[in-house]
Amino acid sequence: EVQLVESGGGLVQPGGSLRLSCAASEFTLSSYWMTWVRQAPGKGLEWVAIINQDGSEKYYVDSVKGRIILSRDNAKNSLYFQLTSLRAEDTAVYYCARGGITRRDALDIWGQGTMVTVSS
Amino acid sequence: EIVLTQSPDTLSLSPGERATVSCRASQSVSTSYFAWYQQKPGQAPRLLIFGASSRATGIPDRFSGSGSGTDFTLTISRLEPEDFAIYYCQQYGSSPFTFGGGTKVEIK
Repeated sequence: EVQLVESGGGLVQPGGSLRLSCAASEFTLSSYWMTWVRQAPGKGLEWVAIINQDGSEKYYVDSVKGRIILSRDNAKNSLYFQLTSLRAEDTAVYYCARGGITRRDALDIWGQGTMVTVSS
Repeated sequence: EIVLTQSPDTLSLSPGERATVSCRASQSVSTSYFAWYQQKPGQAPRLLIFGASSRATGIPDRFSGSGSGTDFTLTISRLEPEDFAIYYCQQYGSSPFTFGGGTKVEIK
């Protein structure tokens, strides 16, 4: 089954950092642009970041610029999301999602999400 | 940044009725780069419509999308019990690829 599985969520202190992973199964990650979307508790979806197939192009929402590191290891079929200087407003379920072969593609496969809570 | 405003916030309907969800963009969006997603409680979103009017794989034909420019619509022709959920629009033509605030379709 084609799927994405996120891991690495949990409780993090304000000012701390997080590193999330997203593992792809039954498809070749290296063929796709990949996106991270987050959803604060009881709120809507927020597009956060996108990375191209070889990691050479990345785009971010303003609220995470300067705090985010996106990377991928296509040999391991995995995607990584690092966020530093965490704030309460970063508390959310973080989803990785598959785009297409171009940057402008809808998100057709989503992971189940991993919850990140920023709190002391 | 393109802001997407969905209406209504909540739609209360009965099974078998027609649902219409609207999404208005703060600036023009190419129809090629507009999508609709469905999300049920505790689940990840699911792609319903891409390119404003193309159904994603496995999506029943009671779901349809239309619109252009700044006004887009998702229509569910006859609601099935499994269609009661939250629906989000998204534009992916101009970064950041923003989502609308969501419309909850609930059972009346």
